[in-house]
Amino acid sequence: DAGVIQSPRHEVTEMGQEVTLRCKPISGHDYLFWYRQTMMRGLELLIYFNNNVPIDDSGMPEDRFSAKMPNASFSTLKIQPSEPRDSAVYFCASGLGLAGGGTQYFGPGTRLTVL
Amino acid sequence: AQSVSQHNHHVILSEAASLELGCNYSYGGTVNLFWYVQYPGQHLQLLLKYFSGDPLVKGIKGFEAEFIKSKFSFNLRKPSVQWSDTAEYFCAVNDGANNLFFGTGTRLTVIP
Repeated sequence: DAGVIQSPRHEVTEMGQEVTLRCKPISGHDYLFWYRQTMMRGLELLIYFNNNVPIDDSGMPEDRFSAKMPNASFSTLKIQPSEPRDSAVYFCASGLGLAGGGTQYFGPGTRLTVL
Repeated sequence: AQSVSQHNHHVILSEAASLELGCNYSYGGTVNLFWYVQYPGQHLQLLLKYFSGDPLVKGIKGFEAEFIKSKFSFNLRKPSVQWSDTAEYFCAVNDGANNLFFGTGTRLTVIP
């Protein structure tokens, strides 16, 4: 298996622009998680899905952030409009939830820089 | 809510020194426990996990962790660290929900 795939790996954009991050989970995993990692705040869970349905989005910082999972093999995290404080590494992870003991497998991350 | 504490924020060791990183959690029920490692510029990778059975768990690269239920702890150990172990280490807990609660991480620097 190729593992969790994320694209792009690096994104540099200007403040006010729309940013879309993409994730392909490991085939067969029914849970998908989006995290944000910064030096100041560490690793934060933004949202997670089960069977393509958002279960908990309490970590989404504000309305500028939205996430979708149109099918079992694809998810997007969108920031519109982007701001410099959104600069971070965004990780996607997938797993089997309790069926897998809670184990999550992380993608390589997208390093976002908002100028 | 579940909380996971990693009291050591940054640990600096010389090569061949022994390592122990602390992890404590707050949930009193059945838990699954994890250690993840993040090498510089890379993503989190699973180092080891504990679900049940022998409380001493062995992982990759010579790491091990011991679950002590009475102390709500799951400390990570390695008898002799190498320069290549320089990374950030995250403890995580699953308390029966479908997600994980992560600690704030411990940065390990190994000096050659």
